[in-house]
Amino acid sequence: QSALTQPASVSGSPGQSITISCTGTSSDVGGYNYVSWYQQHPGKAPKLMIYDVSKRPSGVSNRFSGSKSGNTASLTISGLQAEDEADYYCSSYTSSSTFCVFGGGTKLTVL
Amino acid sequence: EVQLVQSGAEVKKPGESLKISCKGSGYSFTSYWIGWVRQMPGKGLEWMGIIYPGDSDTRYSPSFQGQVTISADKSISTAYLQWSSLKASDTAMYYCARRGSGSFSYYMDVWGKGTTVTVSS
Repeated sequence: QSALTQPASVSGSPGQSITISCTGTSSDVGGYNYVSWYQQHPGKAPKLMIYDVSKRPSGVSNRFSGSKSGNTASLTISGLQAEDEADYYCSSYTSSSTFCVFGGGTKLTVL
Repeated sequence: EVQLVQSGAEVKKPGESLKISCKGSGYSFTSYWIGWVRQMPGKGLEWMGIIYPGDSDTRYSPSFQGQVTISADKSISTAYLQWSSLKASDTAMYYCARRGSGSFSYYMDVWGKGTTVTVSS
């Protein structure tokens, strides 16, 4: 069982917005602003999409945004595109282990 | 271009040893932590551990402590992940990744393409 809880799947139509949640505890998501999000296409390496809750690395589309409320972080993708179909993982610093923990991953399907 | 180049796919038998590598280029290898992440077939990402090549300071996830050894050779800008006795359950894709800059960076900004390890009798 993963330390952070994500929905197994979400879906949306092109042009719509979707949100993926990531729920932890006060020892990780809720206690620190060190949540990151990764996109992984099938057979590919993960790619950093969001770090420090809401910061976007250079080159990542501004259709991707992150936020946090209490023990739950969220990744929102607006203007959904076919290329966004992938697995998404959240990660957070944790005080109860070493370095970081991942969520179980969410499969995004673009209908 | 900043990149991490991982060694090729491995097929091993249970009980054999293995060392896979991750070579950094395009940046100061000794100034960034390198982490290792496991992904078992059809499963999610699991944090294994992290090393600072500058002084070889190493931290392990409790789940992997004692199961693997992480090391680095800064003279050739390469980090390693090794097993002394492989098990079938070690079959997975293994990624190395660079930790972001700064003491309070808890994300991985550059990833290798992964090394597939298959353990089967």
